[in-house]
Amino acid sequence: AQSVTQLGSHVSVSEGALVLLRCNYSSSVPPYLFWYVQYPNQGLQLLLKYTSAATLVKGINGFEAEFKKSETSFHLTKPSAHMSDAAEYFCAVRSTGANSKLTFGKGITLSVRP
Amino acid sequence: EAEVAQSPRYKITEKSQAVAFWCDPISGHATLYWYRQILGQGPELLVQFQDESVVDDSQLPKDRFSAERLKGVDSTLKIQPAELGDSAMYLCASSFSGGLRSDTQYFGPGTRLTVL
Repeated sequence: AQSVTQLGSHVSVSEGALVLLRCNYSSSVPPYLFWYVQYPNQGLQLLLKYTSAATLVKGINGFEAEFKKSETSFHLTKPSAHMSDAAEYFCAVRSTGANSKLTFGKGITLSVRP
Repeated sequence: EAEVAQSPRYKITEKSQAVAFWCDPISGHATLYWYRQILGQGPELLVQFQDESVVDDSQLPKDRFSAERLKGVDSTLKIQPAELGDSAMYLCASSFSGGLRSDTQYFGPGTRLTVL
């Protein structure tokens, strides 16, 4: 069984401030981990993914995430928030087996204040 | 860049009516997924196809939902009859099958269903 926990439903930061969105996972086998972003009334866009290569993963739009096995975490960060980063962010986990299921967290809404 | 296409983007229907959603995956993607996303929650898998075969439909409410992918390309998800609790965003995604490229799912824009 696998699951993802995204604590809190809303994060608000000032433009230019650090963005930190937390994700903890549970998986009985080595996982693949993903962060997706969703803008209002749109589908999900892949930000970045961890697939057992480098533990620090760089994605699009300046985002990065670090896989920490000891903490079962995959937190998403961006050094300086931009107004266009305001959206909903989903962490997801899947096992490495063929046809394994992608399990999403509940999502975190990021607001960026001018 | 190739995208997953979905239609309609928005659908309003009355309860007990039938609705259908269409998805056209990225060319070459053998695996196709239908998800339901209730407002304020993450997507949940309804059904997964490998070519024209269903791989996982364990979370599909089969008394009212059906899905098909007859030629292993585009797919249709149907609800009959619709219930108030079916109001949600229905997302389609696709991916390669097998190999390193199979780990990433690409999502369409979704169909927002409102049942009155």
